[in-house]
Amino acid sequence: EVQLVESGGGLVKPGGSLRLSCAASGFTFSSYDMSWVRQAPGKGLEWVSSISSSGSYIYYADSVKGRFTISRDSAKNSLYLHMNGLRAEDTAVYYCARDYSGYDFWGQGTLVTVSS
Amino acid sequence: QSVLTQPPSASGTPGQRVTISCSGSSSNIGSNYVYWYQQLPGTAPKLLIYGTNQRPSGVPDRFSGSKSGSSASLAISGLQSEDEADYYCAAWDDSLNGLVFGTGTKVTVL
Repeated sequence: EVQLVESGGGLVKPGGSLRLSCAASGFTFSSYDMSWVRQAPGKGLEWVSSISSSGSYIYYADSVKGRFTISRDSAKNSLYLHMNGLRAEDTAVYYCARDYSGYDFWGQGTLVTVSS
Repeated sequence: QSVLTQPPSASGTPGQRVTISCSGSSSNIGSNYVYWYQQLPGTAPKLLIYGTNQRPSGVPDRFSGSKSGSSASLAISGLQSEDEADYYCAAWDDSLNGLVFGTGTKVTVL
């Protein structure tokens, strides 16, 4: 059974940093592209970043470019999102998703709240 | 802000057909596949349509996707109470070099 479990969310002050993790199981993690998608409270979905299966290709939304870094560790079957310079508008539930002809599996999400 | 535009709401009675539109441009819908996601209250999104008009295993054939030019549509036929959810379209945007989601449509079953 495919499972994606996010962790690392929490309350952080503006300008602070946080690292989100996504533990993958039930499939060959190294064979799939992976992505992060976020959803602000009461708002729609926003794509954040994607990384290819090999890690060679990485893409970011303009809203996070230069502040967030996506990475993966196939030995640990894990996806990461390093977030620096956090702003109030980064407050959202962050989902990791497997990318195979669309985002076919999603985690349950982890809430990041940026507030003083 | 979202690059793909959807109506904020749609509704129908059980058994009716409901259609949700998704308007984009030549750099996204016009040149790439369209995806549709269903999000039930308090849950993670679920892939409903991939490759513009393909259904993943387990998705009822009541759901269908189509595209014409820079616009796409999701049709729900034989509307059921469990279809009450938020629906989002998505497509890769060649100009932005990223994925863009639609603004989302809340479907209500009357």
